[in-house]
Amino acid sequence: EAQVTQNPRYLITVTGKKLTVTCSQNMNHEYMSWYRQDPGLGLRQIYYSMNVEVTDKGDVPEGYKVSRKEKRNFPLILESPSPNQTSLYFCASSRRGAGTGELFFGEGSRLTVL
Amino acid sequence: KNEVEQSPQNLTAQEGEFITINCSYSVGISALHWLQQHPGGGIVSLFMLSSGKKKHGRLIATINIQEKHSSLHITASHPRDSAVYICLTQSGSARQLTFGSGTQLTVLP
Repeated sequence: EAQVTQNPRYLITVTGKKLTVTCSQNMNHEYMSWYRQDPGLGLRQIYYSMNVEVTDKGDVPEGYKVSRKEKRNFPLILESPSPNQTSLYFCASSRRGAGTGELFFGEGSRLTVL
Repeated sequence: KNEVEQSPQNLTAQEGEFITINCSYSVGISALHWLQQHPGGGIVSLFMLSSGKKKHGRLIATINIQEKHSSLHITASHPRDSAVYICLTQSGSARQLTFGSGTQLTVLP
């Protein structure tokens, strides 16, 4: 079954404690991306990757890092989480750039930073 | 920067009604996506359009490139269609993604 898998789905952590949200897809997609969703602000893109070792910033990259060492994985790293990073996070992938194929979304990761 | 506006923000319908959700944008785009987000939070892609019209079951999506406007229609609406519908545009490159604010649809039995 074609899917995008995110872990953890729910996490409560404290300010400053490094965490990683993993994202994995089994469709051999080139394009992967991360979004955060906040009430009143909607979905906003954090980072995206057009292929292995190719990543670029989206609209709200501050406080986040990513890496794309393998095609299937695109982890989101919060080196020193702060309360303003409390949000619902989504990973998505598509065959190539977001304009050239259907976007497949993970189920979301709800992060709370105390 | 592309400005994307969706209307209405909230929509309540009776089961069986025909529903239209609109999305307008301000600059030329290469593609427009319609997404559905259910109460549990998961997001599903419904359509990707660059021109014309697409149909999938009871859902129809259209786009008018000249008018910079897209519509999502639901025929014979059902309570299970209750969800947030989100318009997403892509202009130029993968970086230039702009999301609409979403339309909360509630279909009453």
